[in-house]
Amino acid sequence: DAGVIQSPRHEVTEMGQEVTLRCKPISGHDYLFWYRQTMMRGLELLIYFNNNVPIDDSGMPEDRFSAKMPNASFSTLKIQPSEPRDSAVYFCASRTGQHQPQHFGDGTRLSIL
Amino acid sequence: QKEVEQNSGPLSVPEGAIASLNCTYSDRGSQSFFWYRQYSGKSPELIMFIYSNGDKEDGRFTAQLNKASQYVSLLIRDSQPSDSATYLCAVKPGGYNKLIFGAGTRLAVHP
Repeated sequence: DAGVIQSPRHEVTEMGQEVTLRCKPISGHDYLFWYRQTMMRGLELLIYFNNNVPIDDSGMPEDRFSAKMPNASFSTLKIQPSEPRDSAVYFCASRTGQHQPQHFGDGTRLSIL
Repeated sequence: QKEVEQNSGPLSVPEGAIASLNCTYSDRGSQSFFWYRQYSGKSPELIMFIYSNGDKEDGRFTAQLNKASQYVSLLIRDSQPSDSATYLCAVKPGGYNKLIFGAGTRLAVHP
């Protein structure tokens, strides 16, 4: 079975540009999570969806960040405008059921110059 | 605030020894507990999960849960250099649909 698929794997862009990260969850999984990981702050939950509906976006750093899930097989995380402090690895994870484990994608390594 | 605490390490063990990784959590109503392994530059990979008090074994890995004392541990028997990684403890507090992750413990297994 295919795991969680994220794209792109790497993104390098200049400050001020719009960045869009993409995620395809595991088929049948009804929860989708977006995380950011840095050395300083560790793994931070940004937002999660249940059945395509955003449930908790309290971890989204500021209005420059937005996330959507238009259908059960696709989600995007957008940063506009991007800043150097947004440089991090962004992970998407999905799971089914309340007590089931989450499975992570390979991540997107984002560098904002 | 829900918290999960881990010793950051590094925890250094010789090859063939037992590595013991510990994690404490603040929410007494927590229901589900997970251990993830993360190699440098890679994504977190699920190793074990446990829901009930006691031990759960899977190959060289044993997860131990003590809800009264609010700790969960991971034992790795016959440690191998390939086990060298950061181990993340994650807890699902009661009434939450999200996981709270610890900062991770770095394990180094030396030949």
